[in-house]
Amino acid sequence: AQSVTQPDIHITVSEGASLELRCNYSYGATPYLFWYVQSPGQGLQLLLKYFSGDTLVQGIKGFEAEFKRSQSSFNLRKPSVHWSDAAEYFCAVASNRDDKIIFGKGTRLHILP
Amino acid sequence: DAGVIQSPRHEVTEMGQEVTLRCKPISGHDYLFWYRQTMMRGLELLIYFNNNVPIDDSGMPEDRFSAKMPNASFSTLKIQPSEPRDSAVYFCASSLKRRRTEAFFGQGTRLTVV
Repeated sequence: AQSVTQPDIHITVSEGASLELRCNYSYGATPYLFWYVQSPGQGLQLLLKYFSGDTLVQGIKGFEAEFKRSQSSFNLRKPSVHWSDAAEYFCAVASNRDDKIIFGKGTRLHILP
Repeated sequence: DAGVIQSPRHEVTEMGQEVTLRCKPISGHDYLFWYRQTMMRGLELLIYFNNNVPIDDSGMPEDRFSAKMPNASFSTLKIQPSEPRDSAVYFCASSLKRRRTEAFFGQGTRLTVV
């Protein structure tokens, strides 16, 4: 069964610093991969997605992610974080065999002024 | 489009009572998902529908949980009887051609069972 691991529960970075959030997935075929962001009290908003093609995908709010098949990873990056990026970030994987979207447990991002 | 609409936003109920959560998906979307979010377990997929038909309910925790989708614009998640451990945020999401597009989430219903 597919699964998603986000090894970091909390991450703290200073405003203006670069960011990388880790995501590893377990799946036997080519997955469809997503990153979502959740602000407090809100639903989830899609940041970016990968289905095929270029392994470096650009998303909203200046985020990007790189799919590395050899490492089963889909890490999220941003060159310079803003205080408004403080939120919880979820990596998700979708199957092309059934229709499930499975989420990781999330990484809560804290921004230091 | 107003997006996925869930109601109520907050629900507080006593243990043993029936709780019904409601969801209106985005018009034209053919997949609907119900998720539960807790601190301990994160986001769990409970059940999903395709064209109003339940496809996989293996995530439904117990028989106390049931979900229906009587038409393309409405779904309910019912808990009867409710228990304190059901306290969580319940999200509904919908998508179009599920494998190729992302799921759009509602604002969630925060359920507290006392």
